[in-house]
Amino acid sequence: DAKTTQPNSMESNEEEPVHLPCNHSTISGTDYIHWYRQLPSQGPEYVIHGLTSNVNNRMASLAIAEDRKSSTLILHRATLRDAAVYYCILRENSGGGADGLTFGKGTHLIIQP
Amino acid sequence: GAVVSQHPSWVICKSGTSVKIECRSLDFQATTMFWYRQFPKQSLMLMATSNEGSKATYEQGVEKDKFLINHASLTLSTLTVTSAHPEDSSFYICSAKNRLIYSNQPQHFGDGTRLSIL
Repeated sequence: DAKTTQPNSMESNEEEPVHLPCNHSTISGTDYIHWYRQLPSQGPEYVIHGLTSNVNNRMASLAIAEDRKSSTLILHRATLRDAAVYYCILRENSGGGADGLTFGKGTHLIIQP
Repeated sequence: GAVVSQHPSWVICKSGTSVKIECRSLDFQATTMFWYRQFPKQSLMLMATSNEGSKATYEQGVEKDKFLINHASLTLSTLTVTSAHPEDSSFYICSAKNRLIYSNQPQHFGDGTRLSIL
């Protein structure tokens, strides 16, 4: 899987938007961009994924650069429950997702009340 | 939907004991499940891929005789840490893939099992 680069940590205030960046300059044309988050002492939780177009769901939005070499996860209104480690992961489209995920170090998001 | 349950949530046992961890997909069938390990302040590392009805595939550096995986049904995979030692203490997490959904789908994770070997 191609490599992703994320800031080690970010801090934001409660009820404000949060933009979590991810660089993936070696992304291939068939790689999907996935985001997961891991709350303390829990397993990872799927957040969102996309290929080329921006995506929205009930949890977040994913903005993908036109050249696909970077993406941004957007939490529109952060709450204390959003404090977690956020992982940006590239997944090849082949194989139907039969491979396990390769986790980097992720971004530790701290939310201040 | 898409719930994965892991049991037990935590276990403390003496060195030399074998420990079995269960991973169940509660509302879908999973032909493939994955086992990860996470040491404190580190990221998740894939240990092995568990395939229903066949042998597991282990990542490089993971001892297959120490970490026994059984995937006997479409909803259950087990990981047995044999003769566990303190260095095996870790957070073990499983995930599952819905067999009915192809293509680039999310993986569904359990809440993990914290294993402490004294």
